[in-house]
Amino acid sequence: QKEVEQDPGPLSVPEGAIVSLNCTYSNSAFQYFMWYRQYSRKGPELLMYTYSSGNKEDGRFTAQVDKSSKYISLFIRDSQPSDSATYLCASLKTSYDKVIFGPGTSLSVIP
Amino acid sequence: SQTIHQWPATLVQPVGSPLSLECTVEGTSNPNLYWYRQAAGRGLQLLFYSVGIGQISSEVPQNLSASRPQDRQFILSSKKLLLSDSGFYLCAWMSGELFFGEGSRLTVL
Repeated sequence: QKEVEQDPGPLSVPEGAIVSLNCTYSNSAFQYFMWYRQYSRKGPELLMYTYSSGNKEDGRFTAQVDKSSKYISLFIRDSQPSDSATYLCASLKTSYDKVIFGPGTSLSVIP
Repeated sequence: SQTIHQWPATLVQPVGSPLSLECTVEGTSNPNLYWYRQAAGRGLQLLFYSVGIGQISSEVPQNLSASRPQDRQFILSSKKLLLSDSGFYLCAWMSGELFFGEGSRLTVL
């Protein structure tokens, strides 16, 4: 079983829709959770970084962690064509531990 | 501010040829450095990480090697490339969060 799993998609939504991206993880020692956005042929860029369970909001993006079910979510409100990218979830045990990535979900937002 | 540079950005190499990818970080000292590989349509695979000069940990057995000759320099090498080495190679450094370079796209023919 991979430590971090993610539906690879592709996911296609109309502009303005609410997008829900999800990951599950198997290692209960994970405490830090991240979401990265990766445009084609570019390096990933950090979107959200959360510690333990709970919600974190940043503009149109909300990250949610449920440690009891080992479930990580990223919500994108009012999705835009510029949100079209691959979204990678990642987890680690301590803030300087190795980062374990999911395979990524490809998202297309159609104008 | 901290920045990370990778080069070359793109390269095409024949099977059996050597490889050297370089990564340098600016604006920080003693960073934790990482090499990841991303095959087409797949996630990020951690290849090597380093917590200091000369300290390299390998995550996956392969024909690749890494070196850290200076504090802010991380090099990925191979003596003889395989077709399976094709992919997108990303250098990253950790300071609480993981920051990536722009990547080096390698095609082995």
